[in-house]
Amino acid sequence: GAVVSQHPSWVICKSGTSVKIECRSLDFQATTMFWYRQFPKQSLMLMATSNEGSKATYEQGVEKDKFLINHASLTLSTLTVTSAHPEDSSFYICSARDVGSSYNEQFFGPGTRLTVL
Amino acid sequence: GQNIDQPTEMTATEGAIVQINCTYQTSGFNGLFWYQQHAGEAPTFLSYNVLDGLEEKGRFSSFLSRSKGYSYLLLKELQMKDSASYLCAVFDSNYQLIWGAGTKLIIKP
Repeated sequence: GAVVSQHPSWVICKSGTSVKIECRSLDFQATTMFWYRQFPKQSLMLMATSNEGSKATYEQGVEKDKFLINHASLTLSTLTVTSAHPEDSSFYICSARDVGSSYNEQFFGPGTRLTVL
Repeated sequence: GQNIDQPTEMTATEGAIVQINCTYQTSGFNGLFWYQQHAGEAPTFLSYNVLDGLEEKGRFSSFLSRSKGYSYLLLKELQMKDSASYLCAVFDSNYQLIWGAGTKLIIKP
Protein backbone atom coordinates (compact mmCIF):
# COMPACT_ATOMS: atom_id res chain seq x y z
CA GLY A 1 0.00 0.00 0.00
CA ALA A 2 0.88 3.66 -0.17
CA VAL A 3 3.36 4.96 2.38
CA VAL A 4 3.35 8.28 4.17
CA SER A 5 6.26 9.35 6.33
CA GLN A 6 6.51 12.02 8.99
CA HIS A 7 9.54 13.67 10.45
CA PRO A 8 10.39 13.99 13.24
CA SER A 9 8.71 11.13 15.11
CA TRP A 10 8.93 13.04 18.34
CA VAL A 11 10.20 16.43 19.41
CA ILE A 12 10.67 18.23 22.70
CA CYS A 13 11.03 21.98 22.61
CA LYS A 14 10.99 24.98 24.88
CA SER A 15 7.98 27.23 25.14
CA GLY A 16 8.10 30.04 22.59
CA THR A 17 10.07 28.18 19.95
CA SER A 18 8.77 27.02 16.56
CA VAL A 19 8.64 23.43 15.39
CA LYS A 20 8.36 22.18 11.82
CA ILE A 21 6.84 18.78 11.01
CA GLU A 22 7.21 17.25 7.57
CA CYS A 23 4.78 14.89 5.89
CA ARG A 24 5.81 13.04 2.74
CA SER A 25 3.99 10.66 0.44
CA LEU A 26 6.71 8.24 -0.61
CA ASP A 27 5.25 6.30 -3.50
CA PHE A 28 2.33 8.34 -4.74
CA GLN A 29 1.40 11.92 -5.48
CA ALA A 30 -0.94 13.59 -3.05
CA THR A 31 -2.75 16.71 -4.20
CA THR A 32 -4.47 16.81 -0.83
CA MET A 33 -2.96 16.25 2.59
CA PHE A 34 -4.62 16.53 5.97
CA TRP A 35 -3.25 17.53 9.36
CA TYR A 36 -4.81 16.09 12.50
CA ARG A 37 -4.18 16.56 16.19
CA GLN A 38 -4.99 13.99 18.80
CA PHE A 39 -4.95 14.56 22.55
CA PRO A 40 -4.68 11.57 24.88
CA LYS A 41 -7.75 9.35 24.89
CA GLN A 42 -9.50 11.54 22.36
CA SER A 43 -10.36 11.10 18.71
CA LEU A 44 -8.59 12.63 15.77
CA MET A 45 -9.32 16.31 15.28
CA LEU A 46 -8.89 17.67 11.78
CA MET A 47 -6.88 20.87 11.89
CA ALA A 48 -6.57 21.74 8.23
CA THR A 49 -6.73 20.47 4.68
CA SER A 50 -3.71 21.20 2.57
CA ASN A 51 -3.94 21.40 -1.21
CA GLU A 52 -0.81 21.49 -3.34
CA GLY A 53 -0.11 24.93 -4.67
CA SER A 54 -2.84 26.73 -2.77
CA LYS A 55 -3.60 27.96 0.72
CA ALA A 56 -4.66 25.49 3.35
CA THR A 57 -8.22 25.36 4.59
CA TYR A 58 -8.35 25.52 8.38
CA GLU A 59 -11.05 24.08 10.59
CA GLN A 60 -12.98 26.34 12.89
CA GLY A 61 -11.02 27.22 15.99
CA VAL A 62 -7.60 26.47 14.50
CA GLU A 63 -5.35 29.53 14.32
CA LYS A 64 -3.85 29.73 10.86
CA ASP A 65 -1.13 32.14 12.01
CA LYS A 66 -0.05 29.72 14.70
CA PHE A 67 -0.18 26.54 12.62
CA LEU A 68 1.46 27.37 9.31
CA ILE A 69 0.93 24.85 6.54
CA ASN A 70 2.86 24.70 3.31
CA HIS A 71 2.10 22.15 0.57
CA ALA A 72 4.74 23.11 -1.96
CA SER A 73 4.90 19.86 -3.91
CA LEU A 74 2.79 16.80 -4.64
CA THR A 75 4.75 14.76 -2.12
CA LEU A 76 5.48 17.15 0.73
CA SER A 77 3.44 19.17 3.19
CA THR A 78 4.82 20.88 6.28
CA LEU A 79 3.17 22.03 9.49
CA THR A 80 4.97 24.65 11.54
CA VAL A 81 3.81 25.24 15.09
CA THR A 82 4.90 28.80 15.81
CA SER A 83 5.63 30.07 19.30
CA ALA A 84 4.70 26.72 20.79
CA HIS A 85 3.23 26.56 24.28
CA PRO A 86 2.67 23.59 26.60
CA GLU A 87 -0.99 23.36 25.55
CA ASP A 88 0.21 22.61 22.01
CA SER A 89 1.72 19.36 23.25
CA SER A 90 -0.10 16.67 21.33
CA PHE A 91 0.17 13.90 18.76
CA TYR A 92 0.17 15.42 15.28
CA ILE A 93 -0.75 13.10 12.42
CA CYS A 94 -0.80 13.81 8.71
CA SER A 95 -2.58 11.87 6.02
CA ALA A 96 -2.44 12.00 2.26
CA ARG A 97 -5.16 11.23 -0.20
CA ASP A 98 -4.16 8.93 -3.02
CA VAL A 99 -6.34 10.02 -5.92
CA GLY A 100 -5.15 6.95 -7.77
CA SER A 101 -6.75 4.60 -5.26
CA SER A 102 -10.14 3.13 -5.97
CA TYR A 103 -11.92 5.14 -3.26
CA ASN A 104 -9.82 8.21 -2.46
CA GLU A 105 -8.37 6.48 0.56
CA GLN A 106 -6.36 8.48 3.06
CA PHE A 107 -3.06 7.00 4.16
CA PHE A 108 -1.72 8.10 7.50
CA GLY A 109 1.78 8.98 8.53
CA PRO A 110 3.14 7.48 11.76
CA GLY A 111 2.55 10.70 13.70
CA THR A 112 4.74 13.20 15.52
CA ARG A 113 4.59 13.51 19.27
CA LEU A 114 5.25 17.11 20.31
CA THR A 115 6.08 17.99 23.89
CA VAL A 116 6.45 21.66 24.76
CA LEU A 117 8.16 22.35 28.05
CA GLY B 1 -24.87 18.92 12.11
CA GLN B 2 -22.78 15.92 11.26
CA ASN B 3 -22.44 13.21 13.85
CA ILE B 4 -20.97 9.77 14.22
CA ASP B 5 -21.71 7.63 17.27
CA GLN B 6 -19.86 4.57 18.48
CA PRO B 7 -19.46 3.07 21.94
CA THR B 8 -16.63 4.49 23.99
CA GLU B 9 -15.27 1.20 25.24
CA MET B 10 -15.90 -2.53 24.89
CA THR B 11 -14.39 -5.57 26.54
CA ALA B 12 -14.15 -9.05 25.03
CA THR B 13 -12.38 -12.33 25.67
CA GLU B 14 -9.53 -13.76 23.63
CA GLY B 15 -10.87 -16.17 21.01
CA ALA B 16 -14.37 -14.70 21.09
CA ILE B 17 -16.28 -12.49 18.63
CA VAL B 18 -17.06 -8.81 19.10
CA GLN B 19 -19.21 -6.40 17.10
CA ILE B 20 -18.52 -2.66 17.21
CA ASN B 21 -21.42 -0.52 16.02
CA CYS B 22 -21.34 2.87 14.35
CA THR B 23 -24.28 5.12 13.47
CA TYR B 24 -23.94 8.26 11.45
CA GLN B 25 -25.84 11.35 10.36
CA THR B 26 -23.93 13.25 7.71
CA SER B 27 -24.58 15.66 4.87
CA GLY B 28 -24.32 13.16 2.08
CA PHE B 29 -22.54 9.83 2.04
CA ASN B 30 -19.66 8.62 -0.09
CA GLY B 31 -18.47 5.67 1.92
CA LEU B 32 -17.59 4.54 5.42
CA PHE B 33 -14.18 3.56 6.72
CA TRP B 34 -13.02 1.57 9.71
CA TYR B 35 -9.54 2.22 11.05
CA GLN B 36 -7.57 0.55 13.82
CA GLN B 37 -5.38 2.66 16.07
CA HIS B 38 -3.01 1.23 18.66
CA ALA B 39 -2.02 3.49 21.52
CA GLY B 40 0.60 6.01 20.48
CA GLU B 41 0.38 5.10 16.82
CA ALA B 42 -1.39 6.49 13.77
CA PRO B 43 -4.56 4.84 12.43
CA THR B 44 -4.30 2.02 9.93
CA PHE B 45 -6.94 1.18 7.35
CA LEU B 46 -9.19 -1.81 7.95
CA SER B 47 -12.14 -1.56 5.58
CA TYR B 48 -14.24 0.57 3.29
CA ASN B 49 -17.96 0.15 2.54
CA VAL B 50 -19.94 2.20 0.08
CA LEU B 51 -22.67 -0.31 -0.84
CA ASP B 52 -25.04 -2.09 1.52
CA GLY B 53 -23.97 -5.46 2.76
CA LEU B 54 -21.15 -7.34 4.39
CA GLU B 55 -17.50 -7.15 3.36
CA GLU B 56 -15.35 -9.93 4.78
CA LYS B 57 -11.59 -9.70 5.08
CA GLY B 58 -10.03 -12.48 7.10
CA ARG B 59 -10.98 -12.23 10.75
CA PHE B 60 -12.52 -8.80 10.22
CA SER B 61 -15.85 -8.04 8.51
CA SER B 62 -17.64 -4.76 8.02
CA PHE B 63 -21.35 -4.24 7.37
CA LEU B 64 -23.21 -1.23 6.03
CA SER B 65 -26.86 -0.22 5.86
CA ARG B 66 -27.16 3.17 4.20
CA SER B 67 -30.90 3.44 4.79
CA LYS B 68 -30.34 3.03 8.54
CA GLY B 69 -27.14 5.09 8.71
CA TYR B 70 -25.52 2.12 10.39
CA SER B 71 -22.36 0.08 10.17
CA TYR B 72 -20.63 -2.50 12.29
CA LEU B 73 -17.16 -3.99 12.45
CA LEU B 74 -17.08 -7.67 13.38
CA LEU B 75 -13.90 -9.14 14.77
CA LYS B 76 -13.65 -12.94 15.05
CA GLU B 77 -11.19 -15.19 16.88
CA LEU B 78 -10.01 -12.26 18.94
CA GLN B 79 -6.32 -12.02 19.70
CA MET B 80 -4.60 -9.94 22.34
CA LYS B 81 -3.04 -7.81 19.61
CA ASP B 82 -6.56 -6.71 18.61
CA SER B 83 -6.64 -4.51 21.72
CA ALA B 84 -6.82 -1.06 20.17
CA SER B 85 -9.18 1.76 19.36
CA TYR B 86 -11.42 1.31 16.35
CA LEU B 87 -12.42 4.44 14.49
CA CYS B 88 -15.45 4.81 12.25
CA ALA B 89 -15.24 7.57 9.63
CA VAL B 90 -17.63 8.69 6.88
CA PHE B 91 -16.99 10.53 3.64
CA ASP B 92 -19.64 13.24 3.35
CA SER B 93 -20.90 14.75 0.10
CA ASN B 94 -17.69 16.78 -0.26
CA TYR B 95 -15.46 13.77 0.46
CA GLN B 96 -14.64 15.30 3.82
CA LEU B 97 -13.87 12.58 6.36
CA ILE B 98 -16.06 12.85 9.44
CA TRP B 99 -14.59 10.90 12.36
CA GLY B 100 -16.20 9.11 15.24
CA ALA B 101 -14.57 9.34 18.65
CA GLY B 102 -13.41 5.73 18.47
CA THR B 103 -14.18 2.59 20.44
CA LYS B 104 -11.50 1.31 22.77
CA LEU B 105 -11.51 -2.48 22.63
CA ILE B 106 -10.01 -4.33 25.58
CA ILE B 107 -9.22 -8.01 25.10
CA LYS B 108 -8.93 -10.17 28.19
CA PRO B 109 -7.25 -13.59 28.28
